Amino acid sequence: DQQVKQNSPSLSVQEGRISILNCDYTNSMFDYFLWYKKYPAEGPTFLISISSIKDKNEDGRFTVFLNKSAKHLSLHIVPSQPGDSAVYFCAASSNAGGTSYGKLTFGQGTILTVHP
Amino acid sequence: DSGVTQTPKHLITATGQRVTLRCSPRSGDLSVYWYQQSLDQGLQFLIQYYNGEERAKGNILERFSAQQFPDLHSELNLSSLELGDSALYFCASSRGTGGNSPLHFGNGTRLTVT
Repeated sequence: DQQVKQNSPSLSVQEGRISILNCDYTNSMFDYFLWYKKYPAEGPTFLISISSIKDKNEDGRFTVFLNKSAKHLSLHIVPSQPGDSAVYFCAASSNAGGTSYGKLTFGQGTILTVHP
Repeated sequence: DSGVTQTPKHLITATGQRVTLRCSPRSGDLSVYWYQQSLDQGLQFLIQYYNGEERAKGNILERFSAQQFPDLHSELNLSSLELGDSALYFCASSRGTGGNSPLHFGNGTRLTVT
């Protein structure tokens, strides 16, 4: 049962344009969401997070939007740069029922390629 | 550089053997987490320790065990290894356990079981 899904395995965009990465979840208990970026031979790097009490969080070129009713979140990167080319993972967690916010459930990832 | 150090980077061993993976968290982080990334399963949570105590458990096999020491470093022990245990094992750390403590990952240990 895949509770966090990233349905697009890959995305290709032109430098300077907007990149939009999408993520859907099924577990309504999730209340904390994160995006990680991963380069080959490195561990995931934290990008941005959002709590379920918000619908938007912005940090520089990165903005995460959360639509709780649709159980959907997205990451917008504007403007996209070639250095943004990496695998992007969406993750979700909850501390309901005595679990831990550190118990992240990850999506399968989306490979973003930004062309110069 | 996330500040999380994992050793060794690569490990090649035979089926039935036992290995130990080591993790040093970022300075000041009390929580340590272990994740497994295999080709077909993606990143899967194994276990979390907070200040030396087990805090949360995922689908960690009984052949696997972990601990966090008083200096906060952690070790993941994998025994009776099988071919299917070949994977990338990531350690992560965070300040606390709440929602405002994002995890910071090390670069992983690649385990190959032959």
